Amino acid sequence: DGGITQSPKYLFRKEGQNVTLSCEQNLNHDAMYWYRQDPGQGLRLIYYSQIVNDFQKGDIAEGYSVSREKKESFPLTVTSAQKNPTAFYLCASRWANSNQPQHFGDGTRLSIL
Amino acid sequence: ILNVEQSPQSLHVQEGDSTNFTCSFPSSNFYALHWYRWETAKSPEALFVMTLNGDEKKKGRISATLNTKEGYSYLYIKGSQPEDSATYLCAFLSPRYNNNDMRFGAGTRLTVKP
Repeated sequence: DGGITQSPKYLFRKEGQNVTLSCEQNLNHDAMYWYRQDPGQGLRLIYYSQIVNDFQKGDIAEGYSVSREKKESFPLTVTSAQKNPTAFYLCASRWANSNQPQHFGDGTRLSIL
Repeated sequence: ILNVEQSPQSLHVQEGDSTNFTCSFPSSNFYALHWYRWETAKSPEALFVMTLNGDEKKKGRISATLNTKEGYSYLYIKGSQPEDSATYLCAFLSPRYNNNDMRFGAGTRLTVKP
């Protein structure tokens, strides 16, 4: 079945560590997105990419980094510079340059130990 | 920052009530508006893709309208059922970055009591 896979589902990080969240899609979508959700808030855009080797900062990119070396993969690294990384992270993909909606993964919940 | 606002933040209704929510977005540089439904423990799923001023879309008891000139969209649910309980998100797609810049509102959390 086509879809988006995020792993792991739950992730724990010690302060000062970088962690990488995985997002893989087999929908052949060009565009991929990372969002963060905090309790009681909506989805805030961290980074997005419309094509391999290209990505754009969203509203809250500080403390995060991404790469897009393959069309199907868009990993997100939460660096030690991100002061409040505890949140729920959602990855999404869609057909680029279109009005088509996003397809979402199941999310990763990151917590600080 | 592209501001997309939704109201109310939460809503509690009785089974059988009809309800509606609002999504406000920048009226300039509009490309598309999406509505999503996000049930607890699941991923958000698309309900509607709206592109033209005056668009009206319907899926069962749920419908949506779009006014791009004044920058708002309404989502209506007729005869709410407990299974309609979810968070309803709208997302604004702007022409920035080749029509790929998508920003979400904070959502309206609907609870339908039996």
